[in-house]
Amino acid sequence: GESVGLHLPTLSVQEGDNSIINCAYSNSASDYFIWYKQESGKGPQFIIDIRSNMDKRQGQRVTVLLNKTVKHLSLQIAATQPGDSAVYFCAETPRVTFGSGTQLTVLP
Amino acid sequence: NAGVTQTPKFQVLKTGQSMTLQCAQDMNHNSMYWYRQDPGMGLRLIYYSASEGTTDKGEVPNGYNVSRLNKREFSLRLESAAPSQTSVYFCASSVGQRVYEQYFGPGTRLTVT
Repeated sequence: GESVGLHLPTLSVQEGDNSIINCAYSNSASDYFIWYKQESGKGPQFIIDIRSNMDKRQGQRVTVLLNKTVKHLSLQIAATQPGDSAVYFCAETPRVTFGSGTQLTVLP
Repeated sequence: NAGVTQTPKFQVLKTGQSMTLQCAQDMNHNSMYWYRQDPGMGLRLIYYSASEGTTDKGEVPNGYNVSRLNKREFSLRLESAAPSQTSVYFCASSVGQRVYEQYFGPGTRLTVT
């Protein structure tokens, strides 16, 4: 099967700054793309999804951008807080396939 | 609501031993999943159950079996554990297979020596 990859492994940002986490996907037939957050020692938690016919979707402090031309997905977190420190995974569908994730560290 | 619960939280096995990981959800979800997560890697799907009475292989099914006992419970069995099965195992559930918001349990950390 196809897989999601090309995450930057780590990202450090200052508290209060905006974070941008990027992801490249391979399955052009994905109908949805999903972002999950995993805090240390816990299971992943759904953050937001975006349908493949959209190019932007906003949630609470988060925005997902989808660029199907270059098969690229990004998650933007506004005013990053210490509680945002976690590993972030993007996933493609219909068989939910996770990338290796990006560790976001928020610096005081 | 407890959400998705998994037992045990930790387990150490010797090579060749067998064990069953238990998972239950109280959200009346139709679909359930078993994943494994190895260091530096994302989650890989072992098996899933789209609905009660059905199970299907995922990306890495070898060495595992599953049982969808009822709508609430989905167990994962290792018949003869191997060191390569040392991992963290997560169970998840969703309303349906094409509803991609999955709810995950806290995980089982398994070590095979």
